[in-house]
Amino acid sequence: NAGVTQTPKFRVLKTGQSMTLLCAQDMNHEYMYWYRQDPGMGLRLIHYSVGEGTTAKGEVPDGYNVSRLKKQNFLLGLESAAPSQTSVYFCASSYLRGPGGELFFGEGSRLTVL
Amino acid sequence: AQRVTQPEKLLSVFKGAPVELKCNYSYSGSPELFWYVQYSRQRLQLLLRHISRESIKGFTADLNKGETSFHLKKPFAQEEDSAMYYCALLNFNKFYFGSGTKLNVKP
Repeated sequence: NAGVTQTPKFRVLKTGQSMTLLCAQDMNHEYMYWYRQDPGMGLRLIHYSVGEGTTAKGEVPDGYNVSRLKKQNFLLGLESAAPSQTSVYFCASSYLRGPGGELFFGEGSRLTVL
Repeated sequence: AQRVTQPEKLLSVFKGAPVELKCNYSYSGSPELFWYVQYSRQRLQLLLRHISRESIKGFTADLNKGETSFHLKKPFAQEEDSAMYYCALLNFNKFYFGSGTKLNVKP
């Protein structure tokens, strides 16, 4: 039972390049999230999904796209990377049934855009 | 709009001293609030949730609706409590996080 797995863990991009971050969970969770973590700004929600085939925008969605073709996977794409997207990206999943839902996080993916 | 504020970026205390990490929120309904913790080289993980009214690792947090606060407290800090702490609010399907407080417990 691996929980939430993110790949890759590290990546360096040049401005304008594209890439995809993969998040996989094996807990059969309906809800999945992508956050970015920046110093002094905490965790900010980029996009999220409430089930297979659904996605929705979070607080900072610009410059990112997502897809949830399979329940266990949630992909975050950067079509044209910018230095402002240098950050640590966290994926999380949750069951969120009733009160007290808990987020389960991946280890994070550190992205540097030069 | 919902907002979670953690006013302290860094909090340093000595081992055995009491610690209080502040969290204030703005939300129009009945909030569901959480504290998450990230120890060095570990994943972010849930520490406690207000709805459970539990004490985890000696930490407690009380929801004060009048002051819109959810401060995290521990009477006697330990060195292993050193970590990054995030307060979070659940609104429908989305979790909103504060900017985090780094707790440093000195020996």
